[in-house]
Amino acid sequence: DIQLTQSPSFLSASVGDRVTVTCRASQGISSFLAWYQQKPGKAPKLLIYAASTLQSGVPSRFSGSGSGTEFTLTISSLQPEDFATYYCQQLDSYPFTFGPGTKVDIK
Amino acid sequence: EVQLLESGGGLVQPGGSLRLSCAASGFTFSSYSMVWVRQAPGKGLEWVSAISSRGDESYYANSVKGRLTISRDNSKNTLCLQVNSLRAEDTAVYYCAKCYGSCLKNYLDHWGQGTLVTVSS
Repeated sequence: DIQLTQSPSFLSASVGDRVTVTCRASQGISSFLAWYQQKPGKAPKLLIYAASTLQSGVPSRFSGSGSGTEFTLTISSLQPEDFATYYCQQLDSYPFTFGPGTKVDIK
Repeated sequence: EVQLLESGGGLVQPGGSLRLSCAASGFTFSSYSMVWVRQAPGKGLEWVSAISSRGDESYYANSVKGRLTISRDNSKNTLCLQVNSLRAEDTAVYYCAKCYGSCLKNYLDHWGQGTLVTVSS
């Protein structure tokens, strides 16, 4: 099974900060990686797919990059509504796996 | 508008069974693969199972293999998950989600709001 790790697991930041979250896969997954945002008590929401393609309706301050085993999610200027937990997921092969999540909190 | 509405969760004793449903609307259900994802209280997301658009292929996480059965009724636009031999560690919110086309090499583009399963005596 493909394992995903995320770093950091917790991040404290201020409004306007540039934030980067890293996701690493235990083996190459090409670009078959998605990023989701989850707020407390809510369902996850798709942000980015195919490692770097922004889902329709998602603000352009979100971006993704990477391929193979290392991927990043960047928020260029953190907004109050961005405080949430972010998960990566690989869909290269079954069983699909999620990273453990990165919680972005207010500094 | 795509809508996914889960139901069937509740309190069940260890060793018991439950059947979760997900009613889909706003898209051609029979054209898309579907998945179940669960989240234990205060924990991360765990992919549980997937089923092809025609229902002829299914996949499971190793942690649930043999106890869970995913199925779908394309005539009723409904996805189901039969959960047997429930354990305390199955306590979670169970989400259904729609894949973009086939799940493999794609992504989950819409999610339901989830249904809570609590396993306790």
